[in-house]
Formats: sequence, C-alpha cells, structure tokens
Amino acid sequence: ETGVTQTPRHLVMGMTNKKSLKCEQHLGHNAMYWYKQSAKKPLELMFVYSLEERVENNSVPSRFSPECPNSSHLFLHLHTLQPEDSALYLCASSQLRGIHNEQFFGPGTRLTVL
Amino acid sequence: ILNVEQSPQSLHVQEGDSTNFTCSFPSSNFYALHWYRWETAKSPEALFVMTLNGDEKKKGRISATLNTKEGYSYLYIKGSQPEDSATYLCAFVNNAGNMLTFGGGTRLMVKP
Repeated sequence: ETGVTQTPRHLVMGMTNKKSLKCEQHLGHNAMYWYKQSAKKPLELMFVYSLEERVENNSVPSRFSPECPNSSHLFLHLHTLQPEDSALYLCASSQLRGIHNEQFFGPGTRLTVL
Repeated sequence: ILNVEQSPQSLHVQEGDSTNFTCSFPSSNFYALHWYRWETAKSPEALFVMTLNGDEKKKGRISATLNTKEGYSYLYIKGSQPEDSATYLCAFVNNAGNMLTFGGGTRLMVKP
C-alpha cells in the first residue's frame, strides 16, 4: 500500500454513536493533518500532529478528538456529532509540517450524521 | 483569520483554450503558497509550492506565478484538455505558523 490511506471511505452515523476515522501514511513523513471539507466552504484545517506537538484549531468542537499513536497513524474519534458535522474528512501527511513541502492527501471519508 | 480568495469560483472552457485563474492572499507575513489540483473522486495533489516573490513554476502545460508584495498568484493552463477538469486550490502559509489556509478553489470544466 502506498501513499495515504483512509478508512472507512463512507460512514453514516447517528448523533449518539461513537465512531473513529483512521488514516495511515506510508511515505515516511513526520507530520499528519485532519481537514474538513463542508459543502461550499474552503478546506478547513482541524488538527496537525508532528513528532513534537499537536497543534489544534481552536474552533474545532470537543466532540472531535484526534489521536496520533505514531508517525504513520492518525485517528479522529467522533462522538455525539451533529448533522452539521456531515462533511468530507481528509487526512494528509507531509515532511516538516508542510512549510516548504507539499501535503499528500488521502481519499477522504464521507461522513453523514443523521 | 487569514483571507485567501480564489477567482473565478468556476470556469467552463473549450478544449484547446488557454485559461488562467487567481489566488489572492495577505501580502504580509508571507512564507509559502501552495497550488493543488483536486479531481472528482480523487485526492488533492500538489502542483506547486512557491516561496519567492517573482517565482514562476511550470509542469507540462500548467504554470504559476507569484507576487508576494501585492499578494496574488496566477495559475495558467495552456491548451486545456478534458483531463484538466478539476478543482484547483491554493493554500497560503504564513511565517507565524506552519498551517495551510486554503482558498475556496476554482472549478474548471473543459468541454471536448
């Protein structure tokens, strides 16, 4: 498997469910990211993980909880989501946290919250 | 809040036409400007990372220019082909942090 993979590709969940999105990168990068793409809105950074620290976008609600157990894996734990959280969630990785180096994106998880 | 704007939002051209679109970003605290191409049902792919004022980059029929003093970048496609149909995203990186702020994208549709 090469590049950045995400599972599941599609997810439908109720507001009381707990689910997790998974991302894995096979590029040897040292930074990973979660982005949210809502309808008719720009791609929005949610979280950044590098070896040293987690950088958090302050506008992300606490019902989204990231976890990065190692440099190759990134999770997004979801609980008590709202219908407005329905979106495409993209994972990306890069070397040096994307300063000069481009980000490599996964195919995304299409999330629908009922 | 950083303001990154792309125009136009969408563009329809005929095969063979050349086209260009714009990304505008804050002219202060500039660090880098990224361009990505996002085809439907695929992942965004990096086209260019530009860091210097006056930078000009080229990949095949696609090229980009950068003006950091006035805060804009142009993406040009020469002789558009149907396979160029995609959404083109730019993303700004400022020197206060390492995070990318994306514009809303330009959706290009090339008719055969």
